[in-house]
Amino acid sequence: QQPVQSPQAVILREGEDAVINCSSSKALYSVHWYRQKHGEAPVFLMILLKGGEQKGHDKISASFNEKKQQSSLYLTASQLSYSGTYFCGTEITDNYGQNFVFGPGTRLSVLP
Amino acid sequence: GAGVSQSPRYKVTKRGQDVALRCDPISGHVSLYWYRQALGQGPEFLTYFNYEAQQDKSGLPNDRFSAERPEGSISTLTIQRTEQRDSAMYRCASSLVERGASEKLFFGSGTQLSVL
Repeated sequence: QQPVQSPQAVILREGEDAVINCSSSKALYSVHWYRQKHGEAPVFLMILLKGGEQKGHDKISASFNEKKQQSSLYLTASQLSYSGTYFCGTEITDNYGQNFVFGPGTRLSVLP
Repeated sequence: GAGVSQSPRYKVTKRGQDVALRCDPISGHVSLYWYRQALGQGPEFLTYFNYEAQQDKSGLPNDRFSAERPEGSISTLTIQRTEQRDSAMYRCASSLVERGASEKLFFGSGTQLSVL
């Protein structure tokens, strides 16, 4: 049930771009993206609610391909503050109704 | 409150002892989730409440784990006869609406449990 994220980790220089992928073996109702800095709680970035939806927020955007059961997070012209672990959270249906399952995370390090 | 509050922040206990972890969600939030997060891993679902009703406890590892939210606000996760493998960060999250409504989660700072 847990979605797969790739890559597991990525190291960038400030100003470079990155893409983080999230895929599920189950049909997705929505995809959430969260960022967690070391020693802190995960913080919400965005929700994608329907297939093909793309959202943007500063230089961070995401897409959701409902048919392929996957989502991608795009970080453009990365800043030092983007460092952290990015989790996708997927809304799926299981035996107990709709559930919310997180991926294992992608660790992003932005270097000066 | 302004955010999701969890206490204690750290809990060190001896194997075999019982522990109770508290979560105070954002006022008015319908949904409350408990997750366990191992170092370097994503949050692992434990249980879900819709107001006071525990609607899903499929993620609780075994019957030593239980949770309650008696008045639909504060929740307590209890672990009986703790074992070393229970050591982890336990996080609570709340949401304004019920599960399935695709609303964002607000996470607490967590309780770091260490079982010696």
